[in-house]
Formats: sequence, structure tokens, C-alpha cells
Amino acid sequence: EAQVTQNPRYLITVTGKKLTVTCSQNMNHEYMSWYRQDPGLGLRQIYYSMNVEVTDKGDVPEGYKVSRKEKRNFPLILESPSPNQTSLYFCASSLGAENQPQHFGDGTRLSIL
Amino acid sequence: SQKIEQNSEALNIQEGKTATLTCNYTNYSPAYLQWYRQDPGRGPVFLLLIRENEKEKRKERLKVTFDTTLKQSLFHITASQPADSATYLCALPEAGTALIFGKGTTLSVSS
Repeated sequence: EAQVTQNPRYLITVTGKKLTVTCSQNMNHEYMSWYRQDPGLGLRQIYYSMNVEVTDKGDVPEGYKVSRKEKRNFPLILESPSPNQTSLYFCASSLGAENQPQHFGDGTRLSIL
Repeated sequence: SQKIEQNSEALNIQEGKTATLTCNYTNYSPAYLQWYRQDPGRGPVFLLLIRENEKEKRKERLKVTFDTTLKQSLFHITASQPADSATYLCALPEAGTALIFGKGTTLSVSS
């Protein structure tokens, strides 16, 4: 089944403790991206990647890192999480950067205390 | 930068009626525009993509229009059903490769 898989689905952690949210897709998609969704603010793009080893900042990249060493994986790294990064995070992938539907994962709910 | 406005945060209609949702953008007309459906606690699901040279696109009970003069897209669900209740998001590209989303309109269809 074609899908985007995120792990973990839920995480409660403390300020400053590094964490990684993994994202994997099995559709051989070139384009992958991370979003965060907050009440009243909607979906905002954090980072995106057009292909292996090619990443770029979205609207709200501060406090986040990404890497794209393999086509299927696009982990989101919070080196020193802070409470303002408490949010619902979505990973998405698509065949290409333009004119393509995005396939989303089921989300990761992060709470930073 | 581009801004998207989905005019209504919430829309309540009766089963069988047509729901019409609006998406307005502020700056340049994008090459395409997309519509997604999002259910509570789930990721958005792609519904339709319409390109700038297409005035209208249909898929089953769904219809999308794209008016570059008005800088607006309309999303219609005909013969609406309670199962259509969800939040609907419009999205368009910025700077060619990033995708920005509107805040969404939550549709409630009552039986």
C-alpha cells in the first residue's frame, strides 16, 4: 500500500532534549516536506526536499533541521526543543515539486514541556 | 509573499444541498491550485488540482473553478452528505516549489 509513515505518532518530552521524527515513503517520490499545524495558523511548511541531498527552508524553519540521505526517508530533527514547538507535524511526499498532489502521513503530535 | 484566504472558517448546510467553499489569493496567479480534505486527527488528503489554463475541473460530486481575474477558486460539493463533513484546505505554490495552505473551511453537513 502506498503510504507515508511517520514515527512516533505521539511524543511528550522536555525542553532541550534532542528528538527526531522519522518519515518514510514507499512511492519513490522525489519531493518530500515537513509541515506543522497549529490552531488558527493552519499548515505551515518547515522544510522541503526536492531530491536526495537537496533541502530548502520553508516558512518556519527556525529550530528545526532535516536531512535527505536516502530518497525514501526525510527525518525532522529538533536539536533543542522548546515549548513553542509543541504542535502537530505532518510529513508529505509527491512525485515532483510542481503540479503534483501531496501525500501526507497521519501526523505526529509533539508536546514539549 | 502570497497570502491565501478561505473566507469562512465554518459552513453548515443541510444534506442534499450544494456546499460552496471559497479560496482567495492576494498576489500573482499561481500555475495551479489544489484542494485537500482533512478529517480530525488525520493528514490532509488530496482531492483535486486545477491549472491556471483550466476554468473548471470535476470529479464525481466535486467541482473546482479557477478565476485568475478574481484571484479566486471555488470548491463545490453537490448533493452533500454527512460523510462530507470535514475541513477543506486550498493550497498553491510559492516560489515554484514550496506549497502554502489556507487555514481551511470546516464543513458540517446535517441530515
